[in-house]
Amino acid sequence: AQSVSQHNHHVILSEAASLELGCNYSYGGTVNLFWYVQYPGQHLQLLLKYFSGDPLVKGIKGFEAEFIKSKFSFNLRKPSVQWSDTAEYFCAVRRNDMRFGAGTRLTVKP
Amino acid sequence: DVKVTQSSRYLVKRTGEKVFLECVQDMDHENMFWYRQDPGLGLRLIYFSYDVKMKEKGDIPEGYSVSREKKERFSLILESASTNQTSMYLCASSPPRTGINTGELFFGEGSRLTVL
Repeated sequence: AQSVSQHNHHVILSEAASLELGCNYSYGGTVNLFWYVQYPGQHLQLLLKYFSGDPLVKGIKGFEAEFIKSKFSFNLRKPSVQWSDTAEYFCAVRRNDMRFGAGTRLTVKP
Repeated sequence: DVKVTQSSRYLVKRTGEKVFLECVQDMDHENMFWYRQDPGLGLRLIYFSYDVKMKEKGDIPEGYSVSREKKERFSLILESASTNQTSMYLCASSPPRTGINTGELFFGEGSRLTVL
């Protein structure tokens, strides 16, 4: 069955630490890949997206993600997190419809 | 800016009631979606509509139906609400994933449904 897997349910970091959130998918064929973020009490917002070209994509607020086709992965990274990055992060894969991972809750301690 | 409006932010219903959740988008998007969001489970797709009067089941369609009579409106219907349908319901719209369109989804604020 097609699926999207996020490796970590809850990540706790101190400010200035580096972040990497894993995402793997099991779809075949060409897909578009996304990371969304949901800040406490807010609706989902797009962080970044990949559909073709350079596999390293940059998004808002200093986030980036790397698409590795051979590994079916699209990991999210940020070199130095801030307290304001505390949120839930969702990886998503689109062929016709859009499927999401279970989410990773990130807590950044000041 | 794309605007996706869900009619009710909070609803409380009783078991067995029929529930309508309405969603309207203002960007002439062909595709619309209904998800439910539960802690630890992420967003699970209930139904997807790729055009007017067109629909496809997602991962968890049981207990739900949808209606897409007009392009801008996508309704989710719970024919007989049950307590396990207590959840946050999210509507989204997008252009189709073709050509230069990446098919990014635009979300509404969500409707939190409690079934007693």
